[in-house]
Amino acid sequence: AQSVAQPEDQVNVAEGNPLTVKCTYSVSGNPYLFWYVQYPNRGLQFLLKYITGDNLVKGSYGFEAEFNKSQTSFHLKKPSALVSDSALYFCAVRTEGDNYGQNFVFGPGTRLSVLP
Amino acid sequence: NAGVTQTPKFQVLKTGQSMTLQCAQDMNHNSMYWYRQDPGMGLRLIYYSASEGTTDKGEVPNGYNVSRLNKREFSLRLESAAPSQTSVYFCASSSTTTSGRASEQFFGPGTRLTVL
Repeated sequence: AQSVAQPEDQVNVAEGNPLTVKCTYSVSGNPYLFWYVQYPNRGLQFLLKYITGDNLVKGSYGFEAEFNKSQTSFHLKKPSALVSDSALYFCAVRTEGDNYGQNFVFGPGTRLSVLP
Repeated sequence: NAGVTQTPKFQVLKTGQSMTLQCAQDMNHNSMYWYRQDPGMGLRLIYYSASEGTTDKGEVPNGYNVSRLNKREFSLRLESAAPSQTSVYFCASSSTTTSGRASEQFFGPGTRLTVL
């Protein structure tokens, strides 16, 4: 069965410092990996995805993520955090054989707080 | 484009009452989904619809029914609400890629439901 772990419930970082939000996954088959962000009282917004190709994926709002197959990880990163990046971040995975998206599995979420 | 819209935004029910959550998307997406979000548990799939006219159970379908009214609309019905169904409900949709698989999902703003 597929699973996603986000080992940190909360990440605190000072504005201007680099940030990392961690994600590890477990799937059988090739993974498709996604990051979403959720602001208070809003739905999830897509940030970026890894399907195939370069292991470093660039997404919205200056975020990027690195796919590491040997470590089964897909950590979200940003070189310089903004206070407005404070939100709840979800990692999600599905497999190549999931034709309809019914097998998206979401992690529990990591709350990022960027302190001014 | 409005994207994915959901009504109502908030709802309070008494145990045993019924209600229907409405969802519509204007992105011409084939696939639509209903999730519930509970603290610390990420999102869990209730039902999905791969295409107009089809619906299938997700991870937590008990106590819910769905209708894919047309390509745009996908409703979720609670026939007899229970306190365990207190949650935030999200509708999502996704398109189909050129390889025939579902792309990333786009989410509505959510419905916050409380069952007393």
